[in-house]
Amino acid sequence: GAVVSQHPSRVICKSGTSVKIECRSLDFQATTMFWYRQFPKKSLMLMATSNEGSKATYEQGVEKDKFLINHASLTLSTLTVTSAHPEDSSFYICSAELADNYNEQFFGPGTRLTVL
Amino acid sequence: AQSVTQPDIHITVSEGASLELRCNYSYGATPYLFWYVQSPGQGLQLLLKYFSGDTLVQGIKGFEAEFKRSQSSFNLRKPSVHWSDAAEYFCAVYDYKLSFGAGTTVTVRA
Repeated sequence: GAVVSQHPSRVICKSGTSVKIECRSLDFQATTMFWYRQFPKKSLMLMATSNEGSKATYEQGVEKDKFLINHASLTLSTLTVTSAHPEDSSFYICSAELADNYNEQFFGPGTRLTVL
Repeated sequence: AQSVTQPDIHITVSEGASLELRCNYSYGATPYLFWYVQSPGQGLQLLLKYFSGDTLVQGIKGFEAEFKRSQSSFNLRKPSVHWSDAAEYFCAVYDYKLSFGAGTTVTVRA
């Protein structure tokens, strides 16, 4: 089946620093990847849609300068949280879309970000 | 815009008993519907999906769901719950992007 990985699985950083999270589709090419944020005991909130070779499309209310997304290849998208603050602490999940399968998305295992 | 409602925030069920999780959607056309399961601290795993055709969909781990257009529902069922089914369950509808319900937490008691 289609497998999506994320790295790192957990990261702790100091306030003011930047953190990069990688999302990879391991056995398929993904033109489109998605980044979600999940607060404790809450649903997933779509942050942005990442398209290979073009700029990401951000959802309303998501700061594009704070959450930088790069989709440089058909198997890799990165999310960089810039100048992180404690309120950015969250569980970040990516997904990759399999275009030939009714746009089904396959999810990564998530990254737990803690900003001190 | 499409939306999904999961009316039950938390359900407790005894091991071996049946389970039904409710999902109602709002969408103008024929929806693409999904059920995902999330274990604590993990990503989402697809249980089953409905795109068209047979309205009773079989998924993994013994789960099934029935699409009822007249009721705008896509309820998830399992005849006999195992302790490992304790998790968070999300219903989602796709319209160029996935919209998730708020989720239902399932607790399984011995």
